[in-house]
Amino acid sequence: DTGVSQDPRHKITKRGQNVTFRCDPISEHNRLYWYRQTLGQGPEFLTYFQNEAQLEKSRLLSDRFSAERPKGSFSTLEIQRTEQGDSAMYLCASSLNRGEQFFGPGTRLTVL
Amino acid sequence: QKEVEQNSGPLSVPEGAIASLNCTYSDRVSQSFFWYRQYSGKSPELIMSIYSNGDKEDGRFTAQLNKASQYVSLLIRDSQPSDSATYLCAVKGEGFQKLVFGTGTRLLVSP
Repeated sequence: DTGVSQDPRHKITKRGQNVTFRCDPISEHNRLYWYRQTLGQGPEFLTYFQNEAQLEKSRLLSDRFSAERPKGSFSTLEIQRTEQGDSAMYLCASSLNRGEQFFGPGTRLTVL
Repeated sequence: QKEVEQNSGPLSVPEGAIASLNCTYSDRVSQSFFWYRQYSGKSPELIMSIYSNGDKEDGRFTAQLNKASQYVSLLIRDSQPSDSATYLCAVKGEGFQKLVFGTGTRLLVSP
């Protein structure tokens, strides 16, 4: 399968714990995006990378959130000191330059 | 004012009918428009993109764009029960890379 992959698919954690998600984009895609989606809402943009450079961050991305794409391939999104309000589906997408964005299956986070 | 607006539905149509889904956007300089389909519990799947005024057809799907009216629509011909899903409209502004999504319209196609 050559689509976007994400790991884990589901994560349950207790409030205050740190979690890290991984995204592997479509192999030839140089741009990678993170979105967050809560029930009944459309995805909301968090951040995006062009190769290894993080070029835009949303105001939604508080200091507890950090994203990296160290070698311009896979990316990680870490949430420190999780809160119940962080419970959501975290979606990764990739594109070739300014082309269409294709989403991975998402990581569903539940914070107890 | 929300940047991208969609009627949340549900929009109910019988099998074989045409489903018409609508979306309006507030940023006049928006350049790119997309329709994604999302099944319950799954991630969004791109079904159509449109960049210029007019119609774009792909199989049973037709996207229509009217930039003067800041309106984009998706028509699904010969609707099937498998088309039952939430349809998300997404817009990308000039110079921006992020997609701005509406809240989606839930479509129900009854056999």
